[in-house]
Amino acid sequence: GDSVTQMEGPVTLSEEAFLTINCTYTATGYPSLFWYVQYPGEGLQLLLKATKADDKGSNKGFEATYRKETTSFHLEKGSVQVSDSAVYFCALRIIQGAQKLVFGQGTRLTINP
Amino acid sequence: DAGVIQSPRHEVTEMGQEVTLRCKPISGHNSLFWYRQTMMRGLELLIYFNNNVPIDDSGMPEDRFSAKMPNASFSTLKIQPSEPRDSAVYFCASSYERGGLPSTDTQYFGPGTRLTVL
Repeated sequence: GDSVTQMEGPVTLSEEAFLTINCTYTATGYPSLFWYVQYPGEGLQLLLKATKADDKGSNKGFEATYRKETTSFHLEKGSVQVSDSAVYFCALRIIQGAQKLVFGQGTRLTINP
Repeated sequence: DAGVIQSPRHEVTEMGQEVTLRCKPISGHNSLFWYRQTMMRGLELLIYFNNNVPIDDSGMPEDRFSAKMPNASFSTLKIQPSEPRDSAVYFCASSYERGGLPSTDTQYFGPGTRLTVL
């Protein structure tokens, strides 16, 4: 079945460090890919998305490139801030058929000043 | 826009009691999703509706869970009877599904209901 695997957390970094959170997927179709972020006590918010191979999604300094050859969608940011501390979820959505999202297990990120 | 509204935000109940969670989607959205989040199982889709019709309820744990969407602006998730293992954060999300390809329609999540069953 369709699935998403994220690097295990928690991840702890210092402010201004470079961030990578790995995400790989397995899908029978040709999915759209998403990163959602969940701040403490809140629901999930869409961070960025990509619909086809080599597309790059970007938002708030975060980027992720849809790599079909490696079935990956790694999240990166060049210089993290304390305010980036949150749980990050990678997700996929199969274009044909169900509208539902399949989420990874989430990666908790903590940024220390 | 008020976003997706969920109530209550917190619910504490005793085992065996009936629990009803409520959701008001964003006006104009035609799809609604119920998720459950736990430390052990992560984020799971329970059921989703399109145009008020349940499309996929394969994630509903068992017959104790039921969901309804009587109109485009309201949905409920009911657990009867509740059990301690139902303790979790329940999220409602909504989106406007155009039905075209590719599908990247954004799901907007509510703040969640934290349910504790004692």
